[in-house]
This record gives sequence, structure tokens and C-alpha cells, in this order.
Amino acid sequence: KAGVTQTPRYLIKTRGQQVTLSCSPISGHRSVSWYQQTPGQGLQFLFEYFSETQRNKGNFPGRFSGRQFSNSRSEMNVSTLELGDSALYLCASSQTSGSQETQYFGPGTRLLVL
Amino acid sequence: AQKVTQAQTEISVVEKEDVTLDCVYETRDTTYYLFWYKQPPSGELVFLIRRNSFDEQNEISGRYSWNFQKSTSSFNFTITASQVVDSAVYFCALSDNFNKFYFGSGTKLNVKP
Repeated sequence: KAGVTQTPRYLIKTRGQQVTLSCSPISGHRSVSWYQQTPGQGLQFLFEYFSETQRNKGNFPGRFSGRQFSNSRSEMNVSTLELGDSALYLCASSQTSGSQETQYFGPGTRLLVL
Repeated sequence: AQKVTQAQTEISVVEKEDVTLDCVYETRDTTYYLFWYKQPPSGELVFLIRRNSFDEQNEISGRYSWNFQKSTSSFNFTITASQVVDSAVYFCALSDNFNKFYFGSGTKLNVKP
């Protein structure tokens, strides 16, 4: 079974621009979660989508948004990029939504904001 | 509030040494899940183990073993006879009733030949 895939793997943007990251979950998985990883803040939860609905949201500004499609693929959008948005963005999928579910992670998208 | 603490920022050992990575968590939930993930230099988090709050049995998988103690809110991870391939950042995480994941800050393990 193919793992979680994320595209693109690397991105360079400038301040003020917007960016869209994509995540394809493991086949059969319906829940997708997004995380931001930075050296200073570690791994922080952004949001979770299940059956095209946002189930959970972390403490990030409204510039960070996401959506999920009927095939469970998910996109994350960051508008008006700031230097501090430079990070590794990880996507994780699980079969369903629930605390008992193991999340399987993709390789991440490394975003650099100049 | 939920919190996961990995006090060891970085550990260096020589190959074949045993090493224990500490994880202490805080939660008021009675039902929760604990996880360990490995993050090699490539960046992808690799799932290692999941344990629910009602199962305090220790687990062994090859060279890996986990010690879960609710009394001390700890979920420690031991690698026996470490190998260079074990070099990575290891994360402990907690999943609460609201299906939110909380990660520790990670412990970087360096295994030298």
C-alpha cells in the first residue's frame, strides 16, 4: 500500500505570497491532519479533516486554512506568507477520526519564505 | 491542559550501548493514547508504537522496548544494543479525547560507530 504523499516537497516563496500544499492519504484513510514543524516550536497541530469536514483546529491564525475533497485528498493554504511560516509541513492520515487512531505521516513539504 | 515533556534534548551513545529515551506526559483525561515516532534525517515520521491508557503492559519489539507507568505518567522507550541506523529524532506524543495530538519536543539520538 502506498504511503502518504505530499507535494511539492520543497517550496520557496516570498513574503506576502500565498501557497497551497497537497496531501494524498493512504488508500482507505479518511482522516487527514496537518502539522507545522519548526526548530523553535516543534511539532504543532494545525487542523484535521474527516469526510470533507474540519474536525479539529489548532491555535493558528486564519491565514492557515485547509480543505478535504471527496477522495480524502487534502490541501492546505497559507495566505499572506510571513518569514515565520518557514517550516516543514507534515500531513498525516488515519483510517477514521478518533484518539485511538494511529496517524501515518508523509515526507513533508519544506517551505522557505524569503 | 495536555503536555508531553521530553527532557533529553540530545543523547549520544556508542554503538551497542543501551539507551533510554524519557517521556513524561500530563493529562486529565482518563482515556488517552501514547505514541512514539522516529524521524530520520529524511523528515518523515515513522510510527513505532501506540499504547492506550488502560494497558500498562510493557512491550518489546526486537531491540525496542517501552515502559508505561501511569503512576509516574511516563512512557519511556529503550533501545537495546543501539545501532548507527537508530540515529534520528524520537518523538513521544499523546492523543486526547478530542483527537488532538500533542508532541514532545523530541530527543535527538546520535549513535556513533
